[in-house]
Amino acid sequence: QLQLQESGPGLVKPSQTLSLTCSVSGASITDGRYFWTWFRQPAGKGLEWIGRFFISESTTYNPSLKSRVTISIDTSRNQFSLRLSSVTAADTAIYFCAREGPDGRYPWQYYMDVWGKGTTVTVSS
Amino acid sequence: QSVLAQSPSASGTPGQRVTISCSGDRSNIGTHAVNWYQHLPGTAPKLLIYSNTQRPSGVPERFSGSKSGTSASLAISGLQSEDEADYYCATWDASLNGWVFGGGTKLTVL
Repeated sequence: QLQLQESGPGLVKPSQTLSLTCSVSGASITDGRYFWTWFRQPAGKGLEWIGRFFISESTTYNPSLKSRVTISIDTSRNQFSLRLSSVTAADTAIYFCAREGPDGRYPWQYYMDVWGKGTTVTVSS
Repeated sequence: QSVLAQSPSASGTPGQRVTISCSGDRSNIGTHAVNWYQHLPGTAPKLLIYSNTQRPSGVPERFSGSKSGTSASLAISGLQSEDEADYYCATWDASLNGWVFGGGTKLTVL
């Protein structure tokens, strides 16, 4: 059974770098059928896409965050990570990781089929 | 402000049918499939509907999805107390070249 679990510091100081890890069990992040993706949800607001990784393509980021975001993978640990630099209070949110897979009938259509429970990150001094 | 528009709240009594709508434009819903998620705080969002109308294994038949033009809907029939949750629509946006979501609809079962 596929499971994703986010981990990382719950408190980050302004101007510092937020670092989170998504540990994947039940599937390999090197499986060429899937994207591995980060989202976030500020309190009282909707979900925001941060970016995604695909083993055979370059990583894609939300243009509004692109200058500050890096998504990387550790195949030996079957994990992928998020780094967000120069954080401010506006980056306070619940951060989720998820797997994106193709619709078997229409392989050009993707959807997030499994998500982690999320981890809360607060940016404060 | 979310790219896709959803009513912030909806309600119904047990057994009723409730519909949650999601509105976008040609760069998102108009050209890409819509997915729906159920979310309870502190838990992982759960996929309810993918590719506009498809239910993953294990999702009850009383959840159904539809799409027309730049709008999509999630219908829940035979409403149950455990359906009380937040519901989000999601789709790919060609302008952003990324995923966009509705702001979420909080469903209350009266």
